[in-house]
Order: sequence, then C-alpha cells, then structure tokens
Amino acid sequence: GAGVSQSPRYKVAKRGQDVALRCDPISGHVSLFWYQQALGQGPEFLTYFQNEAQLDKSGLPSDRFFAERPEGSVSTLKIQRTQQEDSAVYLCASSFNDMNTEAFFGQGTRLTVV
Amino acid sequence: KQEVTQIPAALSVPEGENLVLNCSFTDSAIYNLQWFRQDPGKGLTSLLLIQSSQREQTSGRLNASLDKSSGRSTLYIAASQPGDSATYLCAVGGKLIFGQGTELSVKP
Repeated sequence: GAGVSQSPRYKVAKRGQDVALRCDPISGHVSLFWYQQALGQGPEFLTYFQNEAQLDKSGLPSDRFFAERPEGSVSTLKIQRTQQEDSAVYLCASSFNDMNTEAFFGQGTRLTVV
Repeated sequence: KQEVTQIPAALSVPEGENLVLNCSFTDSAIYNLQWFRQDPGKGLTSLLLIQSSQREQTSGRLNASLDKSSGRSTLYIAASQPGDSATYLCAVGGKLIFGQGTELSVKP
C-alpha cells in the first residue's frame, strides 16, 4: 500500500480481555517499530523488528505485551489481560532498511480499556 | 539512557511570524534526528530527517539544524500560517526516542 496501515482504528476492551492490534508496513520496508502514546505525551518506544527478527523489545511494559512479525511484513501487537493503564494510542512505523532511514507512521490504534 | 527534551511545551504566535522550536538530547551517539508533525487524533507526519553527519535540512518553509556535540536541534518555521498549528515532535534514532512535543498555535 501507499502508507503504513493500522487496524482497528479504535478498540474498546473490557478489563481482562485480550486484544490484537495489526500493522501493515509500507511494502518492502525492512524495519518496523511499535510505540505507545499516552494523551498529551510523546510516543514511547515498545519494540523493533528487522524483517521477522525482533531485535529490541526493551520498551514492552510487561509480559502481557507481545509482538510478532512472522513473515517479515505484517506485525501484530498483542496485549493480554488488558488493564486500564494500557489505554493509549498504539503507533506503528516502518522504514526502508535500517535505523538510519526515514520512518513513516500509521494513523494509530486508540485502545480504551473500560 | 537517551532523554529528549523539547522547549517550549506550547507556543502561540500571530500569523506571519518566524519561529524556532528547540530539541535537546543527552546522548550524542545518534544515527539521525527526525522532526514530525502530529495533528489532533492523527498519526505522525515526517517533516525532515537529518543524518548524524549532516548539519541541516530544508524543506519549503522549514529548516532543521543539528549540532550533535551540544546535543541540540532546532526547527525553524518561516512565515508561519494557521495551517501550521499542530504538535511538533523531535525524535533521535536509531529506534526513535521522542521528546514530549511542542504544541504550536498560529493565530490568524
């Protein structure tokens, strides 16, 4: 596609429910990043993939958060047993080859845990 | 641990003014620095990317500078317009560590 696509755009989950957020990067982009953005704050790094390899997951806030990119293209961020503090916008970005090229962001998924 | 700070947090200017947004970072070992714009409820739009070996980049009315040794970058916006109203974020890469953003309002 022409840009990074994320789905769903909005997700309301009951506390304790599992959710899965999808990211379709720009075709051919090797690097993929996930960020969490709380209201009024800058995005916080969660995890980074190069192709299918997850090279950095240091930003994942707990073991309830899990990300995968099995075929080196589409990525899924899964949050198990959601809690109210997980409410945020989750942003995905991709870049052409490595960390030295321009990153392009999707529109984000707004997760609200009630 | 890399920390990125943006000053001011908010800025309101009349239309037509030139303005400067500031970004500072604590670790000069960066691959690049990228400036983004974020409109309410939207994702991030890339404005300018400065590689670590570069000093500045220009795009239209925007000019971004980078001084790695002092850990600073500035985004200069010339002849501001109401359509420039948004939150401006800087991020240092590798893995893009963001500042908190500057919320800009340009009044007609």
